[in-house]
Amino acid sequence: GEDVEQSLFLSVREGDSSVINCTYTDSSSTYLYWYKQEPGAGLQLLTYIFSNMDMKQDQRLTVLLNKKDKHLSLRIADTQTGDSAIYFCAERNDQAGTALIFGKGTTLSVSS
Amino acid sequence: GAVVSQHPSWVICKSGTSVKIECRSLDFQATTMFWYRQFPKQSLMLMATSNEGSKATYEQGVEKDKFLINHASLTLSTLTVTSAHPEDSSFYICSARKGTGGFEYYNEQFFGPGTRLTVL
Repeated sequence: GEDVEQSLFLSVREGDSSVINCTYTDSSSTYLYWYKQEPGAGLQLLTYIFSNMDMKQDQRLTVLLNKKDKHLSLRIADTQTGDSAIYFCAERNDQAGTALIFGKGTTLSVSS
Repeated sequence: GAVVSQHPSWVICKSGTSVKIECRSLDFQATTMFWYRQFPKQSLMLMATSNEGSKATYEQGVEKDKFLINHASLTLSTLTVTSAHPEDSSFYICSARKGTGGFEYYNEQFFGPGTRLTVL
């Protein structure tokens, strides 16, 4: 079945850039998403990318998609302490249905 | 727009009791709602997909009689955990989708804030 993998933990200093990586197995994925989850809270959609794109930039966030390698990354520029959270990568295959498949999440810790 | 609420946000109950969790789309009509379960430091696992007016589709390994889902209107879905036990303690998150499926972005899922269930 489909699988989404992420590294579990990333630690950066305030002001540095953070890069969170994700790999997925379903080559039919149509949309790929990044969600942010703060402690005890639900999920907040950060950004998404359609599978025919290879890059998307939205303010401090840059998403890169390498469809050949099935690799997705999220770069957060000028990381702030408020960016500390768990970041989930998710993929959706419209042909198979619309449920999201999530990775296990990457905990980003930002130190000042 | 696209706000999803859940109620309650936190519930503690005794083993053997039933708990109902509500998921509402506040400013849009949701043809489909999804229920996820999240264990501590774990990913979200899809439990079931519910379409308004029809029976929910449960994922493999999820007990239908244990987790009752009702999607009676386009803005409300409920998850009832029947005869709850301590192993049912978890964070339950719902999401709601505007569209009917397909390639449009508006088929994005909007997530509720989650309900933390603790069964004693």
